[in-house]
Amino acid sequence: DAMVIQNPRYQVTQFGKPVTLSCSQTLNHNVMYWYQQKSSQAPKLLFHYYDKDFNNEADTPDNFQSRRPNTSFCFLDIRSPGLGDAAMYLCATSSMRGANTEAFFGQGTRLTVV
Amino acid sequence: AQSVTQLDSQVPVFEEAPVELRCNYSSSVSVYLFWYVQYPNQGLQLLLKYLSGSTLVESINGFEAEFNKSQTSFHLRKPSVHISDTAEYFCAVSRLNTGFQKLVFGTGTRLLVSP
Repeated sequence: DAMVIQNPRYQVTQFGKPVTLSCSQTLNHNVMYWYQQKSSQAPKLLFHYYDKDFNNEADTPDNFQSRRPNTSFCFLDIRSPGLGDAAMYLCATSSMRGANTEAFFGQGTRLTVV
Repeated sequence: AQSVTQLDSQVPVFEEAPVELRCNYSSSVSVYLFWYVQYPNQGLQLLLKYLSGSTLVESINGFEAEFNKSQTSFHLRKPSVHISDTAEYFCAVSRLNTGFQKLVFGTGTRLLVSP
């Protein structure tokens, strides 16, 4: 029963060529997050959606955008990937309803920039 | 702002030996505390969490962590490790009572269990 699904698991893109990573969830959670995890580093929050409200972290580069067309799906768009954007990208969800205090993560998408 | 420090980047240990992975945090507000585990090329899985109440929390696979407010620590322990516990372990915090789970992670500790 996969709950947070990220596609693809591995993505190779060319330097400067736009790329989109996908995340879907079956939990009906109203908050979705995108984290970037570079090699041997801690995951770092890029932004999150609360329903349709987009919230960018202050130090997230403009090169990173996100879309959330409905509750189930959220996309990460990298407009012009550079070599420094190679990383594992993790999608997570949580609920603002009730006393739920846990984030659920997907398996991640490993992005390689060539 | 919050920050998390995991001083040990790598901890080698023999199978069936005890282990402790250290985590210290800094925050000007109250926080929830978490330990996540990450296997190679996988996402993060929640191992255990401290929200309130008893300062000792346990996971289903034998790990435990103790919240120490005075020392701002949340160290992870297991009395006897298995080969299958080899993974990266991340300590994380999130602000209390915001409703969001905007996690701030430490840099991780790689646990290497050998026979």
